[in-house]
Amino acid sequence: GPKVLQIPSHQIIDMGQMVTLNCDPVSNHLYFYWYKQILGQQMEFLVNFYNGKVMEKSKLFKDQFSVERPDGSYFTLKIQPTALEDSAVYFCASSLGSDTQYFGPGTRLLVL
Amino acid sequence: GEKVEQHESTLSVREGDSAVINCTYTDTASSYFPWYKQEAGKGLHFVIDIRSNVDRKQSQRLIVLLDKKAKRFSLHITATQPEDSAIYFCAASRRNNNRIFFGDGTQLVVKP
Repeated sequence: GPKVLQIPSHQIIDMGQMVTLNCDPVSNHLYFYWYKQILGQQMEFLVNFYNGKVMEKSKLFKDQFSVERPDGSYFTLKIQPTALEDSAVYFCASSLGSDTQYFGPGTRLLVL
Repeated sequence: GEKVEQHESTLSVREGDSAVINCTYTDTASSYFPWYKQEAGKGLHFVIDIRSNVDRKQSQRLIVLLDKKAKRFSLHITATQPEDSAIYFCAASRRNNNRIFFGDGTQLVVKP
């Protein structure tokens, strides 16, 4: 099936630093998403993005979070500054429309 | 908001038997119900979905049933194989709203 790539697969950073998670979505997809999964907990929606804009965000999408996709390149999630509770696996997804979302393999973020 | 619950946290079956994973949801406006499979250390892999205009859908060994009155849906895997072993997530979202709400996941083990 369609493949979504995520870079890096793992990231360890010190609290307070900035981190950027990169997503390479399916090439013709128009909608992009980030989800967060803390170990042992449910996968939770963070944000969706379409036509250069955030369409919807959850309460988990703190002010320290931002997303962008400059010039059709990677869809990125930036956290600045990071906090301990940001440690989780972050999954990117993309879809053509209001239908099947295809997920990447996740980026495991550890904030020390 | 929507709350999706998966009733079985773990499920163990013998190879060749059927496996059934049950989920419930709360939002009557939910109309799209995808299922995802996650193998150890990997991302979510789309398996099958069902929309609220039908109550049954089959794709090879996978059958999904939807009972809108009871707000219940289920995944049936027939003739299970060891490679079906994984965590299965049910999910729900509203029409024209791309935010997906996930269940907690069911660890399926298929014993040879």
